[in-house]
Amino acid sequence: GQNIDQPTEMTATEGAIVQINCTYQTSGFNGLFWYQQHAGEAPTFLSYNVLDGLEEKGRFSSFLSRSKGYSYLLLKELQMKDSASYLCAGRPLWAGNTPLVFGKGTRLSVIA
Amino acid sequence: DSGVTQTPKHLITATGQRVTLRCSPRSGDLSVYWYQQSLDQGLQFLIQYYNGEERAKGNILERFSAQQFPDLHSELNLSSLELGDSALYFCASSVTGGGASGMNEQFFGPGTRLTVL
Repeated sequence: GQNIDQPTEMTATEGAIVQINCTYQTSGFNGLFWYQQHAGEAPTFLSYNVLDGLEEKGRFSSFLSRSKGYSYLLLKELQMKDSASYLCAGRPLWAGNTPLVFGKGTRLSVIA
Repeated sequence: DSGVTQTPKHLITATGQRVTLRCSPRSGDLSVYWYQQSLDQGLQFLIQYYNGEERAKGNILERFSAQQFPDLHSELNLSSLELGDSALYFCASSVTGGGASGMNEQFFGPGTRLTVL
């Protein structure tokens, strides 16, 4: 299967921590990307997980559990500029050249 | 700046018309991907080219076609345009063609906003 699911919208307070979840069918994907997209702009790469566990990169961390078909993006010390859509994308498991499959994105609003 | 360029930035046209969107990948990238993003929709993969050859096809309509030239730039042609074709069209590039090995991170261009009236 090629479905990638993530919540449509989330709201969080400036300075807080927010976790954006992404689930997928375990038979479908090997490797998860997270991209950030501000309204009307291009998606920009945030992180890539291919092994289980947590990858930390400054205020942003990403986690993957392959057996559970689950990933999350953790944003700490939220800033107003973090208001954006966050796209989860899976790299198909099968050999070949199928490109990334994107979820519909989670629109995060950071409020004061 | 991702290094991927797209022109034009905005395009306004009428139903039934034909337009061409252009993309230049990052220096050294051999793969080009085209995506469509409508309001409230995720990124819909259209088509991928690798080193001049079509590599993968997604939900691309028959009215749409693309090609990648020897200098690796790519063009997406949209014909018999309909109101529903109004969207942001993104081009992305990557070093490799994809496959089971390698991270194959995609770098996105700024997009072309197409409005069909």
